[in-house]
Order: sequence, then C-alpha cells, then structure tokens
Amino acid sequence: LAKTTQPISMDSYEGQEVNITCSHNNIATNDYITWYQQFPSQGPRFIIQGYKTKVTNEVASLFIPADRKSSTLSLPRVSLSDTAVYYCLVGRYSSASKIIFGSGTRLSIRP
Amino acid sequence: DAGVTQSPTHLIKTRGQQVTLRCSPKSGHDTVSWYQQALGQGPQFIFQYYEEEERQRGNFPDRFSGHQFPNYSSELNVNALLLGDSALYLCASSVMDSNQPQHFGDGTRLSIL
Repeated sequence: LAKTTQPISMDSYEGQEVNITCSHNNIATNDYITWYQQFPSQGPRFIIQGYKTKVTNEVASLFIPADRKSSTLSLPRVSLSDTAVYYCLVGRYSSASKIIFGSGTRLSIRP
Repeated sequence: DAGVTQSPTHLIKTRGQQVTLRCSPKSGHDTVSWYQQALGQGPQFIFQYYEEEERQRGNFPDRFSGHQFPNYSSELNVNALLLGDSALYLCASSVMDSNQPQHFGDGTRLSIL
C-alpha cells in the first residue's frame, strides 16, 4: 500500500508562499501523486496531479524529485480562503483500495 | 457540466435502522467509489463499483453494501446502524483504467442517535 507522511499542521500568513512536503517512500512505478484540498463539511477538491518533475496549474505547483519518494505542493500567495486540510495521495484510481488518505495537513492562514 | 452529486445532504437515523445513500457520478465517468470520513480523520475507502459490480472493497463489514446502475449512478446501503457509523459519506467518480483523478461529491452527513 502506498502510505504517505505529511505534517499534521502548518501556519502561514496571507500573501506568503506555502510549501507542503509529502513523503511516499514505497511509491510504485505506475503510481501518480495527487493532492486534494478539503474544507469542513465538503468533499475533497482536486488541486493537482503529477508523475515526475514539475507540474503547474492555475492554483498550485507540484515538485517531484527524480527518485519520486517525496513531493512538494506549492501554493503561491495564499489567502485566508486557503485555510483547509490538504491531502497527498499516491496510487492509481483503478486500484482505489490501495490509495490511502492519511490525516492530511491542516493549513491555517492568518491575516 | 454537473460534478458528482450526492443525496440526501443530511440524514438522521437511530441504531438498528437501515439507510440508503445515493450518488450520481460526473458526466463521462464510469466508476464510483465510496468513502467514510469520521470527524477529524481522512476518508476511508469502503468499496468501488464498475460495470455494475463491486470491484474492490476496503475493511468494512458486510453491513455495508452497494449497487451501481446502468447509468453509472450508485447507492450505498448500511444495515443495522451503529453509533459508530455516524460520519460523512463521500462518493467519488473516475474513469476506469485512466490516470485521471477522482472527483468527489460533498457527501452525506449521517448521524446515528
């Protein structure tokens, strides 16, 4: 099973760049890395997905080193509305039973 | 284009009762997975349906069962409800054998009294 390890919580301020790192030492060759954001009483919302190197979209960047044993989600210029729980997942969705949600990283943004 | 929709949004039941939750997947998706999320924890995988069959199952008792219909929508049934079944139940849809990520609905909040 593709288990991930990420910080339980992080604090930052509006306008700062936030980087959340996730460790996934037993990632398999065919596994993808996916990050979700979740607000209270809502379902997880897809942020970004990657396989290797760097991926960027309109809300975030994902950095993946060559050994793929970790990944870093980068949120540029955060705002109060970025306060949420962020989950790092590893796997293939055709094998959903092998994808494990940990407890996520609780990100708190202050004014 | 509607995303994943779930009904009802909230539900209150008593111990021993049975409940049915419903999910309509995102347009173009053929696979539905169900998750249970207790307060303060990450979602836990219950099972996955594809081609109207249960394909994978997590560590949940057989009180939890499901169904997928020809239009890809799905139901989650829970029998003999326990207090510990109180949780947010999430449905996620995806395309089988693709690398596309799952898309989640906003869940059904089930409270057991």
